[in-house]
Amino acid sequence: AQSVTQLGSHVSVSEGALVLLRCNYSSSVPPYLFWYVQYPNQGLQLLLKYTSAATLVKGINGFEAEFKKSETSFHLTKPSAHMSDAAEYFCAVSDLGADGLTFGKGTHLIIQP
Amino acid sequence: NAGVTQTPKFQVLKTGQSMTLQCAQDMNHNSMYWYRQDPGMGLRLIYYSASEGTTDKGEVPNGYNVSRLNKREFSLRLESAAPSQTSVYFCASKRQGSFTDTQYFGPGTRLTVL
Repeated sequence: AQSVTQLGSHVSVSEGALVLLRCNYSSSVPPYLFWYVQYPNQGLQLLLKYTSAATLVKGINGFEAEFKKSETSFHLTKPSAHMSDAAEYFCAVSDLGADGLTFGKGTHLIIQP
Repeated sequence: NAGVTQTPKFQVLKTGQSMTLQCAQDMNHNSMYWYRQDPGMGLRLIYYSASEGTTDKGEVPNGYNVSRLNKREFSLRLESAAPSQTSVYFCASKRQGSFTDTQYFGPGTRLTVL
């Protein structure tokens, strides 16, 4: 079964600093990977997804992620953090058995002024 | 386009009571899902419906039942609520059964079982 691990339940960065949120996957077949963002008291919104077309994926709000098969990673980055980026971020993989998504436990991103 | 809508937004139940969470989508999607979100656990799949007329269990189906009423609507029922079912419930939909299609989420229902 596929699974994802997000390192760091909380990440704090200063406004204007680099954002790096880590995601590692475990899959016996090529995975399809997603990053979602959840703002307080809201549903989840897709940031970007990897579908094997390109290893560097650009998403909304200046975020991007790079698929690295050798490292089984799909880390999310943004060059310069903004206060509005404060939210919960989830990495997810398509569950090939159950036609749903398997989510990581989430990383809460805190932006310091 | 409202996307995915869920009712109610909040609900408090007593142990043993029953209730149905409603979900509807107006995007003409074939697949629909129910997840629960618990602190530090991420989201976990309860049930899904790949198409109208079909439903399947996900990772945590115990204590729940679902109905795919038509292509638009997918409801989740708790027959006898337990405190362990206190959670935030999200409905999602996807255009078709492709693993690369995006799932679109509703705003959630926050359920407390006393």
